[in-house]
Amino acid sequence: GQSLEQPSEVTAVEGAIVQINCTYQTSGFYGLSWYQQHDGGAPTFLSYNALDGLEETGRFSSFLSRSDSYGYLLLQELQMKDSASYFCAVDDKIIFGKGTRLHILP
Amino acid sequence: DTAVSQTPKYLVTQMGNDKSIKCEQNLGHDTMYWYKQDSKKFLKIMFSYNNKELIINETVPNRFSPKSPDKAHLNLHINSLELGDSAVYFCASSPQGRPDQPQHFGDGTRLSIL
Repeated sequence: GQSLEQPSEVTAVEGAIVQINCTYQTSGFYGLSWYQQHDGGAPTFLSYNALDGLEETGRFSSFLSRSDSYGYLLLQELQMKDSASYFCAVDDKIIFGKGTRLHILP
Repeated sequence: DTAVSQTPKYLVTQMGNDKSIKCEQNLGHDTMYWYKQDSKKFLKIMFSYNNKELIINETVPNRFSPKSPDKAHLNLHINSLELGDSAVYFCASSPQGRPDQPQHFGDGTRLSIL
């Protein structure tokens, strides 16, 4: 079957670094995407990894290991506005994980 | 200049009614999607259309019927609404539906069934 696993909640302190992990099991894998969703808002695209390695976009980085069926989203210099839910997704049939709720403490 | 717009934003109706949600995108994208997000925030694909043709049709009750009059519009009609249909429904689009292309989401339609 197809599934994605990510922690349901993560808590971190403002200014710190946090890593949100995602493991996947899917029949047709092309790449791993990450989306951010604030409460009451729409999901917005953050990153996409098709190849192994780290992709950096400002304070956010995303990593993929195809051999381990694993990826993570790394958020640096956390700001209060980063409090949101983060979803990993694989693109065979656009399967989303259940989301990780990120709580940021001042 | 909203990229993906859905109407209505809120929909409160009684069980058994029929309702429609409209979606339009002005990005020139070929591919459009409907997602359902339940109270636990689980985001699940329902349908995908590419240039007015149905591409993905997940296990969704046939009370749900998508319609794409042109590639800029993908509407969702729901017959005989049930309590379990209460959720937020998101429309999204991407250029050609390729895996490396980000999806652009509308603001969602919050459907509540009484």
